Amino acid sequence: DSGVTQTPKHLITATGQRVTLRCSPRSGDLSVYWYQQSLDQGLQFLIQYYNGEERAKGNILERFSAQQFPDLHSELNLSSLELGDSALYFCASSVVAGANVLTFGAGSRLTVL
Amino acid sequence: GEDVEQSLFLSVREGDSSVINCTYTDSSSTYLYWYKQEPGAGLQLLTYIFSNMDMKQDQRLTVLLNKKDKHLSLRIADTQTGDSAIYFCAESRARNNNDMRFGAGTRLTVKP
Repeated sequence: DSGVTQTPKHLITATGQRVTLRCSPRSGDLSVYWYQQSLDQGLQFLIQYYNGEERAKGNILERFSAQQFPDLHSELNLSSLELGDSALYFCASSVVAGANVLTFGAGSRLTVL
Repeated sequence: GEDVEQSLFLSVREGDSSVINCTYTDSSSTYLYWYKQEPGAGLQLLTYIFSNMDMKQDQRLTVLLNKKDKHLSLRIADTQTGDSAIYFCAESRARNNNDMRFGAGTRLTVKP
């Protein structure tokens, strides 16, 4: 157990729907990152939050949004889902925004039918 | 854009050494990482190296960096079946990990 908790582990939904993925960072970590891992795109950085504030955006679609709450947990919202959104979504956390250890959760596998 | 490239597959026999290679294009890369992903799990940091280092050794793991050629390698000595996993090379420039770029991962298969 890495200490980063992601729910749900698996999610199957239909095109056009909206889902929310949740992440609880490791205790003491202030920074949360979201990554998408798909077969054809590898691991892509989506977005980062640090202590509740958005720090950086990567290849995140406009249909996707995220936030980090005061208790530091984060949610990734995916809307108007398309077949191509099927992927593993990973959350990672770190203590500070620096070249230190990123601790990854086990991921949420999203299947869009 | 800036890329990180790895071969997709590597197969070795138990007890042999494994060498996983990675090349990157960004000459500003400051930190280089190796992560391991086991089935059904997230990525686990194995080790990282600063760009001003040539080598880092940690038990069975040896990381070699050739900054001139932008080549990074991970050597696993005495490879065990439990080492079977996907290994990701990653690099970043800034102290902020938001610009971390990952390779596609090398699937290491260890045969008994």
